[in-house]
Amino acid sequence: GQNIDQPTEMTATEGAIVQINCTYQTSGFNGLFWYQQHAGEAPTFLSYNVLDGLEEKGRFSSFLSRSKGYSYLLLKELQMKDSASYLCAVRPLYSSASKIIFGSGTRLSIRP
Amino acid sequence: DSGVTQTPKHLITATGQRVTLRCSPRSGDLSVYWYQQSLDQGLQFLIQYYNGEERAKGNILERFSAQQFPDLHSELNLSSLELGDSALYFCASSVSGSGTDTQYFGPGTRLTVL
Repeated sequence: GQNIDQPTEMTATEGAIVQINCTYQTSGFNGLFWYQQHAGEAPTFLSYNVLDGLEEKGRFSSFLSRSKGYSYLLLKELQMKDSASYLCAVRPLYSSASKIIFGSGTRLSIRP
Repeated sequence: DSGVTQTPKHLITATGQRVTLRCSPRSGDLSVYWYQQSLDQGLQFLIQYYNGEERAKGNILERFSAQQFPDLHSELNLSSLELGDSALYFCASSVSGSGTDTQYFGPGTRLTVL
């Protein structure tokens, strides 16, 4: 089966760094996505990892360890607008490889 | 703005009714995906179409159906609506629907069933 775990809520301070973890157990693996979703709005794409290692994109970085079934999203120099839910999503290795399984999301609150 | 459009933005209806949600993918994208997001559950994949044909199916109820038309827009039909169907319905699109595609989401349709 498929199981994706991430913390339900996190709080961090403006200007600081926060790491949001995601662990997964899926039937095969074909890549991991991170999306940002502000309340009531559409998810927006942040990153896609298919190989082990760290991918940096401005203030956001995403890390993947396939052997450990583990990923994290690192947000630096936090801004108030970063208050949102962060969704970890895995693409299992189905015959139809385009299906994505989303985690329940981590609601991040930034305090001044 | 992702380039994916959805109409209507809000929909309020009664139990037992039927509604149709519409989605237009980004220009050049051949795949359309439908998701349901309710308060107590995360984003649930419903169904995917690629170039007019069903490609993948998730946890879609038999009361729900979808199709993709020759111009690549898609419609999600929800019938015999129940209170529990109240949710945000997102459409996403991608270029080809292959294993490495990124999906871009539309603004969603908020469905309220009274």
